[in-house]
Amino acid sequence: GENVEQHPSTLSVQEGDSAVIKCTYSDSASNYFPWYKQELGKRPQLIIDIRSNVGEKKDQRIAVTLNKTAKHFSLHITETQPEDSAVYFCAATGANNLFFGTGTRLTVIP
Amino acid sequence: DAGVIQSPRHEVTEMGQEVTLRCKPISGHDYLFWYRQTMMRGLELLIYFNNNVPIDDSGMPEDRFSAKMPNASFSTLKIQPSEPRDSAVYFCASSEPGLAGYEQYFGPGTRLTVT
Repeated sequence: GENVEQHPSTLSVQEGDSAVIKCTYSDSASNYFPWYKQELGKRPQLIIDIRSNVGEKKDQRIAVTLNKTAKHFSLHITETQPEDSAVYFCAATGANNLFFGTGTRLTVIP
Repeated sequence: DAGVIQSPRHEVTEMGQEVTLRCKPISGHDYLFWYRQTMMRGLELLIYFNNNVPIDDSGMPEDRFSAKMPNASFSTLKIQPSEPRDSAVYFCASSEPGLAGYEQYFGPGTRLTVT
């Protein structure tokens, strides 16, 4: 089955700096790669996703890149703000469901 | 739509008791997923259904766990008997028809504490 690895497990940045979270996956058939944000005590919520026919996607301060050859994808957050502090999960499609990474706890220091 | 609804939001029970968690998916979604989240193990998929039929239950930890989906608008996850190591947040999620591997909408979760 699919195996998704996510790094780093924790990340601290100064407000205004950029943050990058990286994931790798094992199943070359995977074709959908979402990123979820989970604030403390809340549910995971989709913030951005990318499909295998696209290499990069941006939404304001958030961007995701995908390298299908290398089987890795990354989340980039620019101009970080304190409200970006949360746990971020990457995921990749398996046969019929999502396989999640282990999460990255991002702390933005004011 | 109210989104995915879960009940109860918090459950505290004693070891050995039966626990039943409930989920109502978003209307029209035909995939339903149960997850367990702990600090140690992260977000684990327990089981998922398509059109009320269990498709993959390989994530269910042991026979003490069971899940049902009697109709398109209701699912339960039961633990009997419960143990302290079952303490976790349990999420239910649903996704649109034919899009099991696409966006999943999570419920607010049930925080279970077994003492």
